[in-house]
Amino acid sequence: NAGVTQTPKFRVLKTGQSMTLLCAQDMNHEYMYWYRQDPGMGLRLIHYSVGEGTTAKGEVPDGYNVSRLKKQNFLLGLESAAPSQTSVYFCASTRGGRYYNEQFFGPGTRLTVL
Amino acid sequence: AQKVTQAQTEISVVEKEDVTLDCVYETRDTTYYLFWYKQPPSGELVFLIRRNSFDEQNEISGRYSWNFQKSTSSFNFTITASQVVDSAVYFCALSGGYGNKLVFGAGTILRVKS
Repeated sequence: NAGVTQTPKFRVLKTGQSMTLLCAQDMNHEYMYWYRQDPGMGLRLIHYSVGEGTTAKGEVPDGYNVSRLKKQNFLLGLESAAPSQTSVYFCASTRGGRYYNEQFFGPGTRLTVL
Repeated sequence: AQKVTQAQTEISVVEKEDVTLDCVYETRDTTYYLFWYKQPPSGELVFLIRRNSFDEQNEISGRYSWNFQKSTSSFNFTITASQVVDSAVYFCALSGGYGNKLVFGAGTILRVKS
């Protein structure tokens, strides 16, 4: 059981470049999430998905897009990266529904936008 | 709107001291869940505890204990006889409503010195 994995672990982009972060989980979880972590601000929700083919906006969705074409994968895209998107990105998954179980987190992706 | 406040930005203690991390939350939901996560220097997020809004019993797990008080909207975390390995950032989080989304506090940095 790999749990939640994220690709890549590190990335440096120039302003205006695009990239996709991949999150994969092997726990058959229904719900998946993307958060960003910035110093002194905890984790903030970017987008989330409550099932294959569904996505919804979180607290800080601007500048990001997501897709959930397969249940086990949740992709986060940056179409035109900006320095303000320099952050550590965490993906998480959970069983979902009425269970409100804990979320399982990936190891994080450290992104720097120059 | 939901909100979690961790007023202590950073706490430093000497090994074997007891330490309490404060967490105050705001929500209009009658059913909600509270969580604590640990983020050690390696960066991963480790789940510590989940508590639902109907269960106000305190919980103890080894050197860790949690005090949930609905009357003051608080869910405080105490480490007894702290150890250097307890040095980490600790996050309190709140979940409720559609999507089981987590709202995190800003985190408390705990430094335990030998």
